[in-house]
Amino acid sequence: GAVVSQHPSRVICKSGTSVKIECRSLDFQATTMFWYRQFPKKSLMLMATSNEGSKATYEQGVEKDKFLINHASLTLSTLTVTSAHPEDSSFYICSARDLGAYNEQFFGPGTRLTVL
Amino acid sequence: GQNIDQPTEMTATEGAIVQINCTYQTSGFNGLFWYQQHAGEAPTFLSYNVLDGLEEKGRFSSFLSRSKGYSYLLLKELQMKDSASYLCAVLDSNYQLIWGAGTKLIIKP
Repeated sequence: GAVVSQHPSRVICKSGTSVKIECRSLDFQATTMFWYRQFPKKSLMLMATSNEGSKATYEQGVEKDKFLINHASLTLSTLTVTSAHPEDSSFYICSARDLGAYNEQFFGPGTRLTVL
Repeated sequence: GQNIDQPTEMTATEGAIVQINCTYQTSGFNGLFWYQQHAGEAPTFLSYNVLDGLEEKGRFSSFLSRSKGYSYLLLKELQMKDSASYLCAVLDSNYQLIWGAGTKLIIKP
């Protein structure tokens, strides 16, 4: 089956620093990747949709200057949380959609971000 | 607006059967997914329904009625490891997943 990896799986950083999270599709090409955030006991919240080679589309209320998304290749998308604050502490999950397979998304294992 | 409703929490006994319902109102419909999510982990795929009817996969079955905007996930022979949140998600006309808030399933011995 299709595999999506995320790195790092867990990160702790100081307030004001930036953190980069990588999402990779290991055995398929992903023209579209999605970034989600999930707070404890809450549902997944879509942050942005990332298409290879173009700018990401952000959901309402998500600051594009704070959450920088780059999707430079068909197998890699990155999310950078800039100037992180404690309220950014959350579980960040990416998913990837296979080229031509609009009805299926494969999820990465998630990244637990804790901002002190 | 788009809306997906599912119960917040359900409790069932080991070995029993439980049905988790999901109703939806979305702009367009390109299928409905059920995912399982254990605490601290990413969701894992359980089922996908795009046509009306029942899809059976081992102990898990999923049902869809498009005319009623309704689906359910049926879990049989419950095991303790089935304790998790179950997420209902609909693929809308833009092929974007719209997520329900999830149903936390508690299994008691």
